[in-house]
This record gives sequence, structure tokens and C-alpha cells, in this order.
Amino acid sequence: KNEVEQSPQNLTAQEGEFITINCSYSVGISALHWLQQHPGGGIVSLFMLSSGKKKHGRLIATINIQEKHSSLHITASHPRDSAVYICAVDQYNNNDMRFGAGTRLTVKP
Amino acid sequence: DSGVTQTPKHLITATGQRVTLRCSPRSGDLSVYWYQQSLDQGLQFLIQYYNGEERAKGNILERFSAQQFPDLHSELNLSSLELGDSALYFCASSAGQGVGTDTQYFGPGTRLTVL
Repeated sequence: KNEVEQSPQNLTAQEGEFITINCSYSVGISALHWLQQHPGGGIVSLFMLSSGKKKHGRLIATINIQEKHSSLHITASHPRDSAVYICAVDQYNNNDMRFGAGTRLTVKP
Repeated sequence: DSGVTQTPKHLITATGQRVTLRCSPRSGDLSVYWYQQSLDQGLQFLIQYYNGEERAKGNILERFSAQQFPDLHSELNLSSLELGDSALYFCASSAGQGVGTDTQYFGPGTRLTVL
């Protein structure tokens, strides 16, 4: 079993819809990251979280340390949000970073 | 543009060969990270250097090695290449020691194809 599980694997939405992507992890962590990988392959770091909630524009990330769960929300989704969203965790005890398999989001106009 | 540069963009080589991938971090960043992204295994953390010293090690094969030079650029050396080493190799940089403390900025990647 992967230490980082994401759901759903694939997600198709209509422009304007509210999107939620989930990430669950099974290891102790010092931080959790949400990354966005564009169709061309480039990766952008969206958030780094160790507790609570962060907001940047239409993106919101939350983390519940007790439940070992994080969510990435996109409000008023737009076709340019189409990308693969990847959850990653910094493991607490060995300085290693583990990645989820990614969620492929397609937003249709 | 993240400010992290990687060369070359594409590399095609044969099994058994050795290649070197290069990464220049953002100005002022002291940490460099290397990642491998293959179709079957997704993203994997390989290794991190901080100010010239190895800081963290992930799933890096013994055939692979890396170093960070005094000017803070880094090189990832891949030797005795196998077909399964074909992947996108990303470099990222951050200001501090990383792992739970820093946002990472990713380079555009080097696509390695081993024939």
C-alpha cells in the first residue's frame, strides 16, 4: 500500500464548479505539499502545510494532522486549472519525501 | 519561470552509457533536490543537497550519484543506464534546509530516453 493515497484518480468538471481533491497518508510527517503539473510537464508548488488551512486565490488547502488527511479545493474552476495535482509528504523520521499518484483534473468550458 | 534551470532538456542515449544532468538553483537558494518521474512509478525523491553537503537520500540507485558544487549548481550522474531509467528528471531548489520547512521551486525537467 502506498504511503500517500489520492482520490479521485481522474476528475472531469464543468467550468465554474467547485473541485475537491483528497489526500490521505499513513506516515508521520513534518509537512505536506500540493503540486500542480501542467500538461507540458512543468511542476509548480502550490502549498506547503503543516497545520490548518492556506488560501491562495481560488485555491484552498486544508490539513487534519490527527486524521492524516488533506484536501485541495478549487473554487470557480476554469479550463486553465486542467492539470495533474500531486500530494507529497515530508516524512518526519527520515527526511524522505513520498508522493501520491496524482489526480488528473480536466475542466471543460 | 521558477528561476531553476536544467540542461539538457532532452537526452537520448543507449543502454550501458553514462550521462550527466545539470541543475542551477534559483539565486540565493542553498538546497537542491533531484526527482525521477517515470510512467510506472510516478514521482520519486532521489537526493537532496544543502550548501554542498548531502542532506537527505531517497530511492536513489547505486548507479546514480550526485553532487553540489561550490557555486551551488548540482549534477546528477547516471551510469550503466538501463531501459527502465527512461524518465523525466526534475531538479528543485529551496532557500533553506528543506524537509518540512521550505517551498520548493521546480525546474523544467530533463527527459531521458534510453534505447
